[in-house]
Amino acid sequence: GAVVSQHPSWVICKSGTSVKIECRSLDFQATTMFWYRQFPKQSLMLMATSNEGSKATYEQGVEKDKFLINHASLTLSTLTVTSAHPEDSSFYICSARDGQGLNTEAFFGQGTRLTVV
Amino acid sequence: AQSVTQLGSHVSVSEGALVLLRCNYSSSVPPYLFWYVQYPNQGLQLLLKYTTGATLVKGINGFEAEFKKSETSFHLTKPSAHMSDAAEYFCAVSPGGYNKLIFGAGTRLAVHP
Repeated sequence: GAVVSQHPSWVICKSGTSVKIECRSLDFQATTMFWYRQFPKQSLMLMATSNEGSKATYEQGVEKDKFLINHASLTLSTLTVTSAHPEDSSFYICSARDGQGLNTEAFFGQGTRLTVV
Repeated sequence: AQSVTQLGSHVSVSEGALVLLRCNYSSSVPPYLFWYVQYPNQGLQLLLKYTTGATLVKGINGFEAEFKKSETSFHLTKPSAHMSDAAEYFCAVSPGGYNKLIFGAGTRLAVHP
C-alpha cells in the first residue's frame, strides 16, 4: 500500500515556541491531505483538510492562525503549531489521499507526539 | 449529520475466543465504512473497508465485518483472538465516498491468556 511518513515522530518544545510537523507521501501524489488531532485515550478529530496549492479548510472550532497548514507540493503538507502552549500537547496524525480523483482512499502517517512544557 | 457509535470503550477476551467489536453509524447518504487498528504511539492501519457490493468484507489478520444497512451497523469480528490483537480499534464512516473520515470513540481490546 501507499506510504505516508510524518516527521518528527515526537517533539518536545517550550511554551511559546512554534513547531512544524511534516507529512509526506512517499510513493504517490497526494492532492488532498487531512490533519487529525488525538487526545489521550480519545478518538481522532479532524482539524483541517488541505488541497495542494490552495488554502486549507478548517473544521469548526480549530484556530487557523494557530494551526498553520501548508500544502505546497503534491507530496508534502506541513502543520505548524504557533506559540504552542501545554494544552496543545497531543498526538497529531496526517493522512493523504492517493490520486487525483475523489474516489480514492486515504493513508495515514505514523503520527507525531507533541509535548509542550 | 454523520456519526459513529462504538459500543464498549473496553472489551476483554481470552486468547482463542471470539472477538466482536460493535459499530453503528448514521449517514444521510450511502456511506463508506472502515475499521482501523492503532497500536500505542502509532498511526492508524486499515483493517478493512466497505464501499459497495458484497456486504461481508474480509480484512487483514483474520478480521471481517458485515455491513447491515437495516441495522446501520458494521460490527468487526474475528473467530479466534491472538495476544497480538490487543490494540485500539476505530470504526469510521466516510459519507458518500472517500471523503473526510468521521471516527468513533474507539474500543480498546485486551486479550488475556
